[in-house]
Amino acid sequence: QLQLQESGPGLLKPSETLSLTCSVSDVSGGPMNHDWAWIRQPPGKTLEWIGSIYNTGRLDYKASLKSRVTISIDTSKTQVSLKLRSVTASDTAVYYCARHQNYGELGDWFDLWGQGTLVTVSS
Amino acid sequence: SYELTQPPSVSVSPGQTASITCSGDNLGSKYACWYQQRPGQSPVLLIYQDNKRPSGIPERFSGSNSGNTAILTIAGTQTFDEADYYCQAWDNGGVFGGGTKLTVL
Repeated sequence: QLQLQESGPGLLKPSETLSLTCSVSDVSGGPMNHDWAWIRQPPGKTLEWIGSIYNTGRLDYKASLKSRVTISIDTSKTQVSLKLRSVTASDTAVYYCARHQNYGELGDWFDLWGQGTLVTVSS
Repeated sequence: SYELTQPPSVSVSPGQTASITCSGDNLGSKYACWYQQRPGQSPVLLIYQDNKRPSGIPERFSGSNSGNTAILTIAGTQTFDEADYYCQAWDNGGVFGGGTKLTVL
């Protein structure tokens, strides 16, 4: 019953900051103590994990993006945010938020995905 | 950084079994999972922890992982199985394969 919905500007200029929000709703009213991830997919290309935020507050970022990325969650745990600074054309992609199932040595996977939002970086 | 390699495309006849491979250094020591992505849609989790299916995923989909290779097997392939398939593992972060386009013809 969890639903994820990404939102944010669809067009940015180079050097601007990408800011996206993932709104999480649970029609069953269950607890919102989940782990979340942001994943992107450039047009015609494969998926790329950007980073994750865990219910404990711990953060993981892809090493090559770490200097530009911030993931956060609001106090109600219903909105997960992504900020990516100093964007270039190579950041053009569909951005997904997803629930991250983190089981440590037993693996990690993403079992629920939002519909994604296309962000284009162009001057 | 860790890499996962998939064949760009796999073709199969309707009703036959399709196998999609995913290769990575000592992948068998990690857990692999698989996603299906139809055109214009979000990825859907098919297999996790090498061979487990989430609720709602047909038994036709199965997985294995040993040595350097994980395999997604689709039995009795149907035309609506045409999609892109991605493997994924965790190595200091999420790592996805390049994706395989499955054609059923």
